[in-house]
Amino acid sequence: DADVTQTPRNRITKTGKRIMLECSQTKGHDRMYWYRQDPGLGLRLIYYSFDVKDINKGEISDGYSVSRQAQAKFSLSLESAIPNQTALYFCATSDSRQGARTEAFFGQGTRLTVV
Amino acid sequence: AQSVTQPDIHITVSEGASLELRCNYSYGATPYLFWYVQSPGQGLQLLLKYFSGDTLVQGIKGFEAEFKRSQSSFNLRKPSVHWSDAAEYFCAVGPNAGNMLTFGGGTRLMVKP
Repeated sequence: DADVTQTPRNRITKTGKRIMLECSQTKGHDRMYWYRQDPGLGLRLIYYSFDVKDINKGEISDGYSVSRQAQAKFSLSLESAIPNQTALYFCATSDSRQGARTEAFFGQGTRLTVV
Repeated sequence: AQSVTQPDIHITVSEGASLELRCNYSYGATPYLFWYVQSPGQGLQLLLKYFSGDTLVQGIKGFEAEFKRSQSSFNLRKPSVHWSDAAEYFCAVGPNAGNMLTFGGGTRLMVKP
């Protein structure tokens, strides 16, 4: 089983609809992240959370919101989806106990299409 | 502000040929550098990482990368490419606040039989 699990893996939704992407992890990490991947742009950070009560905006947070329901769960919501939010979304985790010398662990991604 | 540039968007090599993927970074302090690979339909898997010490870093799947501070580069190499190496490769630099990473735009590798 994957250590970082994203659901759904694929989703097609209509413009204006609300949608939630979910991420859960079994790694015991305290830090969680949502990235968006677009061709040629790499991965860009949407939101990050250091723990359940600490949530921060990334570089492209407009149009998104998040919820950290527990240390192991971090959800990303699009309140009113628009076509330019069509992208591949990744959840990632890291462990602050490792200090800065640590890697991020990624889920398998959610491909979202807004029509 | 930190940034990562991967100059080659697409690269095609023949199976068995050598490979070098370029990565240039901009970072205000000593960087931590990473290469990730994304196979089709998969998440990102760490190939290798550099924190300090020996500037030639060995990773998984026969990959290596060399940190060159003077050139602000961290190029990924493999002496003999296999068809299964076809994927997208991302270079990243950190740490930023909260151990976040800044990613390059990616290089898509295609392998010819």
